[in-house]
Amino acid sequence: KNQVEQSPQSLIILEGKNCTLQCNYTVSPFSNLRWYKQDTGRGPVSLTIMTFSENTKSNGRYTATLDADTKQSSLHITASQLSDSASYICVVSDRGSTLGRLYFGRGTQLTVWP
Amino acid sequence: EADIYQTPRYLVIGTGKKITLECSQTMGHDKMYWYQQDPGMELHLIHYSYGVNSTEKGDLSSESTVSRIRTEHFPLTLESARPSHTSQYLCASSGENTEAFFGQGTRLTVV
Repeated sequence: KNQVEQSPQSLIILEGKNCTLQCNYTVSPFSNLRWYKQDTGRGPVSLTIMTFSENTKSNGRYTATLDADTKQSSLHITASQLSDSASYICVVSDRGSTLGRLYFGRGTQLTVWP
Repeated sequence: EADIYQTPRYLVIGTGKKITLECSQTMGHDKMYWYQQDPGMELHLIHYSYGVNSTEKGDLSSESTVSRIRTEHFPLTLESARPSHTSQYLCASSGENTEAFFGQGTRLTVV
């Protein structure tokens, strides 16, 4: 069964600190992995997208890594800001269907305190 | 910035009413999706379409229906709204091998 598991479920950090969010998946055959940021009551916004051959990708203070062998990904946030408070969702796409199905994790709820 | 729009953003409606949630995208994407999301929970796929006149049900059983008469438009309809339909509904679209773009969502409350 294709699944995406994220940890931790929630995380509280102080402003300025770094943090790392984890994503493990069993989706096969793998196409790509995306990290989204979702503010409360709004639609998810893409942060990064990585294919099988990419190990790391950065977007400002966000750095995503991918280990396709162990089927693990991480999202590292550097020098956190209050505006980073949101849910971070790991999404994996398969290439076994014409639609390229998206499999969503439950998200990590990040809260940044001043 | 993604060109995908959902209306209305918020809707409070009485039980038994028929409602249509609108979703439009101007990116020419063939694939469009409807997701349902309860607060603090993951997104559940309820409908998807990979082109005009092609629609399929998703993982989560839903009493809603969809249509795809035009590439840019993917409305979702509830014939008779019930309190159990209260949730947030998110529309998304994607092109071939591109990321999915999400609308801002419609928060539906059925009273």
